[in-house]
Amino acid sequence: GDSVTQMEGPVTLSEEACLTINCTYTATGYPSLFWYVQYPGEGLQLLLKATKADDKGSNKGFEATYRKETTSFHLEKGSVQVSDSAVYFCALSEANTGTASKLTFGTGTRLQVTL
Amino acid sequence: DAGVIQSPRHEVTEMGQEVTLRCKPISGHDYLFWYRQTMMRGLELLIYFNNNVPIDDSGMPEDRFSAKMPNASFSTLKIQPSEPRDSAVYFCASSASYGNSPLHFGNGTRLTVT
Repeated sequence: GDSVTQMEGPVTLSEEACLTINCTYTATGYPSLFWYVQYPGEGLQLLLKATKADDKGSNKGFEATYRKETTSFHLEKGSVQVSDSAVYFCALSEANTGTASKLTFGTGTRLQVTL
Repeated sequence: DAGVIQSPRHEVTEMGQEVTLRCKPISGHDYLFWYRQTMMRGLELLIYFNNNVPIDDSGMPEDRFSAKMPNASFSTLKIQPSEPRDSAVYFCASSASYGNSPLHFGNGTRLTVT
């Protein structure tokens, strides 16, 4: 079945450092790809998404490009802030299920940003 | 829009007791999902509903778990009897039916079974 693999965390960065969190996927068909973020004590929130190959999703300074040739959707940010400290989840929607919103999540990557 | 509302936020119970978790989805959303989050297993989909009908319950761990959605604005997840290994954060999420509509999560219920 479909699956998502994320890099292990935690990732610890100093403020203003560059961030990359790797995500690769295995899927049949053409899934949509998502990044969700979870702040402490809260549920997951959609950060960005891409629905087809070569699409770039972006939000709050974060970007990710849907790379079909490498089956990847890496999350990047040029300059992180302490407020970006959270757990980040890569996810895909299963193609051809007739259910647009059923997602398969990666295991999450914890990001900690220090001053 | 109040978002997805879950109650209670925290539940502590003793092994063997019945536990009921509650969820109110966003109005107009016709998909509702129950997830469980643990350190060991990450985020697991337990069951989801479309228009109040259970579509896929293959993620429900065992017969001790049951979920209902009596109407479009309310769902419950029940564990009877509860066991310590059920301790986790349980999330409810809802979404609309148009293509690739994002999931909207509640803030979760942290369940501790002693």
